[in-house]
Amino acid sequence: NAGVTQTPKFQVLKTGQSMTLQCAQDMNHNSMYWYRQDPGMGLRLIYYSASEGTTDKGEVPNGYNVSRLNKREFSLRLESAAPSQTSVYFCASTWETQYFGPGTRLLVL
Amino acid sequence: SQQGEEDPQALSIQEGENATMNCSYKTSINNLQWYRQNSGRGLVHLILIRSNEREKHSGRLRVTLDTSKKSSSLLITASRAADTASYFCATDYGGYQKVTFGTGTKLQVIP
Repeated sequence: NAGVTQTPKFQVLKTGQSMTLQCAQDMNHNSMYWYRQDPGMGLRLIYYSASEGTTDKGEVPNGYNVSRLNKREFSLRLESAAPSQTSVYFCASTWETQYFGPGTRLLVL
Repeated sequence: SQQGEEDPQALSIQEGENATMNCSYKTSINNLQWYRQNSGRGLVHLILIRSNEREKHSGRLRVTLDTSKKSSSLLITASRAADTASYFCATDYGGYQKVTFGTGTKLQVIP
């Protein structure tokens, strides 16, 4: 089992560009999450999906959209990237505890 | 925000010593979890303690939970250099398995 995988590992964008962060899990979990982590801070929840076909906003959803494509995949889209979205993004899937992907480091210039 | 807060923010100890870090939270929870994050990596789950449990052990880890004080502590005994990492508490307080993370304790174990 690969667990939770994320692509890309690193990305540089210019302000205003768009991109989609991909996440997939092979553990048959219902719930999936997107977090961002800024230096010296804990994780802040962007969006979560309790089950296939449902998504809900977390603590910091502005500037992001998500798609729960199927049970395995949960993508995060930045429609118009801003420097404030420079961060490390983590995807997680849950069955009682959270299993995290390795993260995507995003730099917005 | 339901975020927990860890204390201290940073801790530096000698190898072999014990490390204790604390977590406080704001409202009733279903369970509390501790995670470790090595630099530049994703978080790894360490231990989960339910709201009706007071203490739990896993190897060199000991977690306590005091729901009356809304606090938890993580004790790492006989620390090793490999324990150097950031440690986060996470509280599960609501439906849909919503989990919120604290800001973390950065532990440095000096060989």
